[in-house]
Amino acid sequence: SQQGEEDPQALSIQEGENATMNCSYKTSINNLQWYRQNSGRGLVHLILIRSNEREKHSGRLRVTLDTSKKSSSLLITASRAADTASYFCATFGTSGGFKTIFGAGTRLFVKA
Amino acid sequence: DGGITQSPKYLFRKEGQNVTLSCEQNLNHDAMYWYRQDPGQGLRLIYYSQIVNDFQKGDIAEGYSVSREKKESFPLTVTSAQKNPTAFYLCASSIDPSVYEQFFGPGTRLTVL
Repeated sequence: SQQGEEDPQALSIQEGENATMNCSYKTSINNLQWYRQNSGRGLVHLILIRSNEREKHSGRLRVTLDTSKKSSSLLITASRAADTASYFCATFGTSGGFKTIFGAGTRLFVKA
Repeated sequence: DGGITQSPKYLFRKEGQNVTLSCEQNLNHDAMYWYRQDPGQGLRLIYYSQIVNDFQKGDIAEGYSVSREKKESFPLTVTSAQKNPTAFYLCASSIDPSVYEQFFGPGTRLTVL
């Protein structure tokens, strides 16, 4: 079964608003990553947060990690139409083998 | 220009045929991966390789095969035993996934006619 589960499955907002996506996982992790995918394209890495970190920022992106709740959130501030894409969380942990497990993703639509 | 490439971009296969998808990287990464993505879904791991001449099955390996004879190359063969192969296939690589992110290729869309 999938390790990461994103919430919501889909999100529609106006340009300029903030978008928040959540990810929950089940087992211990070494790190958690967020990726973006435009329709029909490969994934692009956004942020990696390690299990001993609680928050990371990159430009308009803010990621938090709560290992006690086994959850993470991705915040995109001041969204733009170009942010329209699918966003995936992915977790790496050694309990299930040396592999990264992806969730089903959140589809974000930003209206201009 | 460093990166990871996949070919072809689109591939059509008749039922009963084997097809091979190419994945090449010049990032000097040890680890490489193959994922399958169905419409509106996340990525499911088919096979992964941590080092040359070694690979492990992922969650949905049945009907697929791989080889890792060179560090730069990790081809995926979709065999006739894969009953529902129509999907988007993504290849990725990483220096070390326990520490670093994965880099993805542009994908190959396989359609069975």
